[in-house]
Amino acid sequence: AQTVTQSQPEMSVQEAETVTLSCTYDTSESNYYLFWYKQPPSRQMILVIRQEAYKQQNATENRFSVNFQKAAKSFSLKISDSQLGDTAMYFCAFMRRGSQGNLIFGKGTKLSVKP
Amino acid sequence: DSGVTQTPKHLITATGQRVTLRCSPRSGDLSVYWYQQSLDQGLQFLIQYYNGEERAKGNILERFSAQQFPDLHSELNLSSLELGDSALYFCASSAFGTAHIYGYTFGSGTRLTVV
Repeated sequence: AQTVTQSQPEMSVQEAETVTLSCTYDTSESNYYLFWYKQPPSRQMILVIRQEAYKQQNATENRFSVNFQKAAKSFSLKISDSQLGDTAMYFCAFMRRGSQGNLIFGKGTKLSVKP
Repeated sequence: DSGVTQTPKHLITATGQRVTLRCSPRSGDLSVYWYQQSLDQGLQFLIQYYNGEERAKGNILERFSAQQFPDLHSELNLSSLELGDSALYFCASSAFGTAHIYGYTFGSGTRLTVV
């Protein structure tokens, strides 16, 4: 069975600074997808960024980028130029290819951006 | 507005009771997923439907059941409720075969409190 571990329950960062959230996963699969979701206080789950395991190039979406290390089974999220609106819970998630699209989530990291 | 509608937003009920949570997927999405978010278990996949048929089951209790209707809306039925069933219940939807590309679109959840 696949597991996703987020070892940082809480983090904080100053506005405009850069922060990195960690995620590791355990799987014997070779084809899979990884996601970061954001859950602000409004509780809406919002997709931030995704990565396909067979692509070596790290995904980037504006201020958000990932560091995907397949051999180490690590998938960290870097947020650059942090903004107050980035304050939220961040969840790392794993999807096995052919799994009907079911996501396995980590426990989450609560990020606070301070002015 | 994500396009996925969940009702009600909040629900308070007593132990032993039965409730029904409703979800209308985003227009055009045939797949519906139900997740439970609790403080101790995190986000757990419950069940998935595609165009009216059950496709995958996760950690769904026997007291819980779901269905997807011809108009594609879905209902999650929770019976013989216990205090431990108190959680945020999310519905999400995706178009066929695209969950690994675009992730899901989540609703804003139903907060269930069992007293």
